[in-house]
Amino acid sequence: DTGVSQDPRHKITKRGQNVTFRCDPISEHNRLYWYRQTLGQGPEFLTYFQNEAQLEKSRLLSDRFSAERPKGSFSTLEIQRTEQGDSAMYLCASSFVGRGYEQYFGPGTRLTVT
Amino acid sequence: GNSVTQMEGPVTLSEEAFLTINCTYTATGYPSLFWYVQYPGEGLQLLLKATKADDKGSNKGFEATYRKETTSFHLEKGSVQVSDSAVYFCALSDATGGFKTIFGAGTRLFVKA
Repeated sequence: DTGVSQDPRHKITKRGQNVTFRCDPISEHNRLYWYRQTLGQGPEFLTYFQNEAQLEKSRLLSDRFSAERPKGSFSTLEIQRTEQGDSAMYLCASSFVGRGYEQYFGPGTRLTVT
Repeated sequence: GNSVTQMEGPVTLSEEAFLTINCTYTATGYPSLFWYVQYPGEGLQLLLKATKADDKGSNKGFEATYRKETTSFHLEKGSVQVSDSAVYFCALSDATGGFKTIFGAGTRLFVKA
């Protein structure tokens, strides 16, 4: 069990550029979640997948955001036409249905939009 | 909808002092409750959990009891150490919330030697 990994750990981009983040969950976990955390706040839910199906999206997820989990394993989160307000820590978590609601978090990707 | 409210920080204590961080929740279903900890420069780690009323979660000297009658899940530790300095998040998750985790805003703890 190598834990949840995220790549990159840090991303600095200019406003208007597109960025993509990757999350690799714990291998046997079938649920994968994306959260956003801004300074001084708790993480806020963005979206989640069960296997490859995206089952829920938060209203925080504007149409500039898209997430995929094509084979039910790793997931990507893309932000198009980034804005300064997108600067935040993007967290990925995974869990296994049937083992309670406990989620395991990755280290996060810190995005800075200049 | 589901929500979590926890006491504002920062909380500053001397080493070996008693710690309480208050947490209350609102939920329509029967949630599981969690405390997560975030050490400086690190990711979120699950500290402890409780899945039903009157359960006590415990880990590393920290404890919290799931109180349904007061909708609370207060975090306690009898004697804090400098290494406990971190941000602590109370959270809940249940099926009616789509299994997503709802977090409080976090409480920063500073422990002085």
